[in-house]
Amino acid sequence: QVQLVQSGAEVKKPGASVKVSCKASGYSFTDYYIHWLRQAPGQGLEWMGWINPKNGGTSFVQKFQGRVTVTKDTSTSTVYMELNRLRSDDTALYYCAQGDSFDYWGQGTLVTVSS
Amino acid sequence: DVVMTQSPLSLPVTLGQPASISCRSSQSLVYSDGNTYLSWFQQRPGQSPRRLIYKVSNREFGVPDRFSGSGSGTDFTLQISRVEAEDVGVYYCMQGTHWPTTFGQGTKVEIK
Repeated sequence: QVQLVQSGAEVKKPGASVKVSCKASGYSFTDYYIHWLRQAPGQGLEWMGWINPKNGGTSFVQKFQGRVTVTKDTSTSTVYMELNRLRSDDTALYYCAQGDSFDYWGQGTLVTVSS
Repeated sequence: DVVMTQSPLSLPVTLGQPASISCRSSQSLVYSDGNTYLSWFQQRPGQSPRRLIYKVSNREFGVPDRFSGSGSGTDFTLQISRVEAEDVGVYYCMQGTHWPTTFGQGTKVEIK
């Protein structure tokens, strides 16, 4: 069955970087885009962007451009999302989701940014 | 960006009674291919979101038929014909017609 398993919770200081992983299984890794979304505490869902695991192409909304780097490792079917220059308002649960229909989601990775 | 506005934001419902959630978009969600990419997601407490409805009115496999979606253009509705205890959670509408994908603020469904 399709599964997306994300890395564990992180606590970072403002200005630091965080790298969240999303390991896919149960399907052909290169067949579906992986999307990244986040949810601040008690808030709604915010779509961040995607990576095409076939060629590594990415597209992210402007507010994250220049701060986010997403890469993939086809040998392990894993996608990595690195967010730099963290601010307190980056504190959120970060999700990966499969395909443009968001059929399958990871369990979420809590990133806490605090001094 | 397309703004998705849901109402109400909080919806107390009696078990067995119907519930209705409205979602309005700031632009038409009809894509150039003729499809309308409006989805509904359910997020139960402590869980990841789950898609219930896609392209306005199509239920995902395994979604109970008490859930239905309707609407067109800029006005959409999610209806639950008879609310059950497992329906408690937050419901989001999402548009995938215009880049970037955007979500409504969420509607919290709780049992009275």
